[in-house]
Amino acid sequence: SQTIHQWPATLVQPVGSPLSLECTVEGTSNPNLYWYRQAAGRGLQLLFYSVGIGQISSEVPQNLSASRPQDRQFILSSKKLLLSDSSFYLCAWSDHGGTEAFFGQGTRLTVV
Amino acid sequence: AQSVTQPDIHITVSEGASLELRCNYSYGATPYLFWYVQSPGQGLQLLLKYFSGDTLVQGIKGFEAEFKRSQSSFNLRKPSVHWSDAAEYFCAVGEMDTGRRALTFGSGTRLQVQP
Repeated sequence: SQTIHQWPATLVQPVGSPLSLECTVEGTSNPNLYWYRQAAGRGLQLLFYSVGIGQISSEVPQNLSASRPQDRQFILSSKKLLLSDSSFYLCAWSDHGGTEAFFGQGTRLTVV
Repeated sequence: AQSVTQPDIHITVSEGASLELRCNYSYGATPYLFWYVQSPGQGLQLLLKYFSGDTLVQGIKGFEAEFKRSQSSFNLRKPSVHWSDAAEYFCAVGEMDTGRRALTFGSGTRLQVQP
């Protein structure tokens, strides 16, 4: 069966420090991959999606970037974190056939 | 562009009472509709989905939802709420007719269950 792993679960980083959040999927190949951000009390905002290795699309201008170095690996990064980057980040995958998305457990990022 | 509206930010019901969470969507083509549930600090779990066919869909944990095209709605229902149903619920529409295939979420409804 397919599983999605996202780590770390929580992270506290100082302003100006770099960020790397990792997401990997097992049990499937060539998935669509997504990074969402969820602000407190709000819905999910799509940040990036990828339909294949090296193919990244950004949905909103921001301080973050994403990369897909391997088929089932999706990384969310920043060179210099801002206070406003504090949020709950969720990775997800779906089949290219376009059924539902499956979510990781999320990373709570606090920038101090 | 597609959008999803969940008009109720917070709902409180008594245990054993019935529940209906509202969802309205805006999408130009045939919608793919989903309900997800999120416990605090956790990821999202799929409750049910609608792609086509019978407009009343059954999901996990005793939930069901009805697709009404004329009202652009996909309301979630449960006949008898349990204390463990307290969580946040998200309605989403999927744009399955493009390569992007991303979901657009509503802002969520937080459900509180009173004993």
